[in-house]
Amino acid sequence: SAVISQKPSRDICQRGTSLTIQCQVDSQVTMMFWYRQQPGQSLTLIATANQGSEATYESGFVIDKFPISRPNLTFSTLTVSNMSPEDSSIYLCSVGSTVFKETQYFGPGTRLLVL
Amino acid sequence: SQQGEEDPQALSIQEGENATMNCSYKTSINNLQWYRQNSGRGLVHLILIRSNEREKHSGRLRVTLDTSKKSSSLLITASRAADTASYFCATDDGNNRLAFGKGNQVVVIP
Repeated sequence: SAVISQKPSRDICQRGTSLTIQCQVDSQVTMMFWYRQQPGQSLTLIATANQGSEATYESGFVIDKFPISRPNLTFSTLTVSNMSPEDSSIYLCSVGSTVFKETQYFGPGTRLLVL
Repeated sequence: SQQGEEDPQALSIQEGENATMNCSYKTSINNLQWYRQNSGRGLVHLILIRSNEREKHSGRLRVTLDTSKKSSSLLITASRAADTASYFCATDDGNNRLAFGKGNQVVVIP
């Protein structure tokens, strides 16, 4: 299985600022995804991070609010822009398995609190 | 994308007992997966069942899938304290974009 790290692990931010979350994988992967988990809730897919092209966003998520970069097959960033308290969530990246393609491996998550 | 939905259960069981969780979904799927999450951390993949499968086992886990009823169940046998976690089902429509259900909190009392 892939080993995934995220930075930062947690942060407390002020309203109106932006935070960039990094996701690093120990091997090259084709599929990378970003999810949001609001307090006490389930996970919601934000977007698919595509290497070398623009991310594919799910309904309700837009690039201006959640810009994503994917410069290579092992790294991606998610920026949460112009934050409000409603953005307080856990943000998780995941990667698709290279062996069992439908399976996803998740990073430990970034716990964000916006004041 | 689809939405898997668990029955909103919070299970509290004694160690050694079995735990059963259910999940329903609304549209056609390629596969259904179960994940475990400990204390708000990252998710761990447990088991995947494809739409043409009815039952699958992995260790102490047994998952069933009824595509006619659009439902799945996860059974954990002989539960352990370490099984205390939240369990989520997720549906995949074939495009690797997972739709997660609400989750079940399971507490196993030693």
